[in-house]
Amino acid sequence: GENVEQHPSTLSVQEGDSAVIKCTYSDSASNYFPWYKQELGKGPQLIIDIRSNVGEKKDQRIAVTLNKTAKHFSLHITETQPEDSAVYFCAANGYGKLTFGQGTILTVHP
Amino acid sequence: EAEVAQSPRYKITEKSQAVAFWCDPISGHATLYWYRQILGQGPELLVQFQDESVVDDSQLPKDRFSAERLKGVDSTLKIQPAELGDSAMYLCASSLRSGGETQYFGPGTRLLVL
Repeated sequence: GENVEQHPSTLSVQEGDSAVIKCTYSDSASNYFPWYKQELGKGPQLIIDIRSNVGEKKDQRIAVTLNKTAKHFSLHITETQPEDSAVYFCAANGYGKLTFGQGTILTVHP
Repeated sequence: EAEVAQSPRYKITEKSQAVAFWCDPISGHATLYWYRQILGQGPELLVQFQDESVVDDSQLPKDRFSAERLKGVDSTLKIQPAELGDSAMYLCASSLRSGGETQYFGPGTRLLVL
């Protein structure tokens, strides 16, 4: 099945800095790559997604880039704020279902 | 804004007991998913429904887990008997269709088996 690797597992930044989380996937047929934010005790919330026909997508302070040749995609958060602190998951839809990475715990220090 | 509803939010049970979780997807969403999330890991798919039919239950431990979506709307996931290793967050998600459609998650049910 699909294998999604996510790095780093923890990320600590100062407020206002940028944060980058990277994922790789194994199924070359994957064509949909969402990113979810999960706060303590809550379900994952979709924050941005990208499909394989584009290389980059941006929504205010959040951007995602996709390199299909290398089978990796990244989440970029600029001007981080304390409320960005959460666990972030990437996913890929290989073999007909979403497979999630192991998650990145992002901590933004005021 | 429409949301996926789940109940209960928390459940504590003793091993060998039966437990059941309920999910009501976003109205109009044909595809419903049950995931299990162990603490510190990403969600893992247990079962996927398209309307009332199961399309993927390859990761569902069928000796003790069952899931149904009788009328193609809400769904129930049951565990009988519960084991200590079943302690996890059980998440329900829905999407308009399957195959690359955005999945929206509910708040989850946190299960603790003692």
